[in-house]
Amino acid sequence: GENVEQHPSTLSVQEGDSAVIKCTYSDSASNYFPWYKQELGKRPQLIIDIRSNVGEKKDQRIAVTLNKTAKHFSLHITETQPEDSAVYFCAASYYYKLSFGAGTTVTVRA
Amino acid sequence: SAVISQKPSRDICQRGTSLTIQCQVDSQVTMMFWYRQQPGQSLTLIATANQGSEATYESGFVIDKFPISRPNLTFSTLTVSNMSPEDSSIYLCSVRGEMNTEAFFGQGTRLTVV
Repeated sequence: GENVEQHPSTLSVQEGDSAVIKCTYSDSASNYFPWYKQELGKRPQLIIDIRSNVGEKKDQRIAVTLNKTAKHFSLHITETQPEDSAVYFCAASYYYKLSFGAGTTVTVRA
Repeated sequence: SAVISQKPSRDICQRGTSLTIQCQVDSQVTMMFWYRQQPGQSLTLIATANQGSEATYESGFVIDKFPISRPNLTFSTLTVSNMSPEDSSIYLCSVRGEMNTEAFFGQGTRLTVV
């Protein structure tokens, strides 16, 4: 089955700086890569996703890049704000089943 | 998008008992899933709830412990049977309409077994 590794496990950044989270996947058949944000006590919510036919996608301060050859993808958050503090999960999917990374706890220091 | 109602939101149960969690979606969806999220951990897929047939379980999860029903395209239940403290966790229902589209999650059921 698919194995998704995520790094780092924790990330502390100064407000206004950038945050980068990296994930690798094992199954070359995976073709959908979403990122979820989970605030304490809340459900995971999609913040951005990318499909295997696209190398990069951006939505305001958030961007995701995908390298299919190397089987890794990354989340970039620019101009971080206190409300970006949360746990972020990457995931990979082939067909319907999502496999999640271990998560990154992001703390934005004011 | 899909709106998912999951209940109960939390419960405290005695060991050896069972709890059934319900998941109701506001529209018909192809795939429904049940996840477990232990404190501070990632989401682990328990099973895929198949409409009209037996659920498909992931490695480490068995039907006797986690029986699942899916009577129609908008509803599913997960039962946690013969509970022990190790079953204390958050259980999440999730749905996807089509491949390569967003997965939506219920608000979760926080289960504590004492």
